[in-house]
Amino acid sequence: GQSLEQPSEVTAVEGAIVQINCTYQTSGFYGLSWYQQHDGGAPTFLSYNALDGLEETGRFSSFLSRSDSYGYLLLQELQMKDSASYFCAVYNQGGKLIFGQGTELSVKP
Amino acid sequence: NAGVTQTPKFQVLKTGQSMTLQCAQDMNHNSMYWYRQDPGMGLRLIYYSASEGTTDKGEVPNGYNVSRLNKREFSLRLESAAPSQTSVYFCASSEVSRDEQYFGPGTRLTVT
Repeated sequence: GQSLEQPSEVTAVEGAIVQINCTYQTSGFYGLSWYQQHDGGAPTFLSYNALDGLEETGRFSSFLSRSDSYGYLLLQELQMKDSASYFCAVYNQGGKLIFGQGTELSVKP
Repeated sequence: NAGVTQTPKFQVLKTGQSMTLQCAQDMNHNSMYWYRQDPGMGLRLIYYSASEGTTDKGEVPNGYNVSRLNKREFSLRLESAAPSQTSVYFCASSEVSRDEQYFGPGTRLTVT
């Protein structure tokens, strides 16, 4: 079967660093993506890892370990506007994007 | 450049009614997708179209049909709506399969 696990909620303070973990199990694997969604609006793409290692884009970084079926999203210098839901998603062998249930991040002042 | 547009934004249906959700993209993308999102859940793929002229089932296709009308437009039809289909429906597109996906604003559907 296919499944992704990520924490349902994370709380952090402004200016801090937070890490959102994602473990996955899928038939075939082509890469791990992260999407952000504010208040039920349109999800927006954050990052994609096809190979092991760390990808950095500004304050956000994403990491993948294919051997451990594990990845994480790292958010640095947290801002209030980072309060949102974050979804990890994997492309399976059929080319379909399978989403996790999402992590709701609350950033407190 | 509007990106991905969806109509309508909101809809209320009675059980058994039918309707079509419209989606269009102006980015010349080849692949298009329909997802549903239930409260507190991730997005689940209903149908997708890897390229113009092709469609394929996703995780939860039952009760839905799709039409890839042309490269720009991908519609989702509910033939006989059921309360279990109450959800937020998102359309998305990507240049090719397994590429970054761009999402529309969603259609909030309630079936009573």
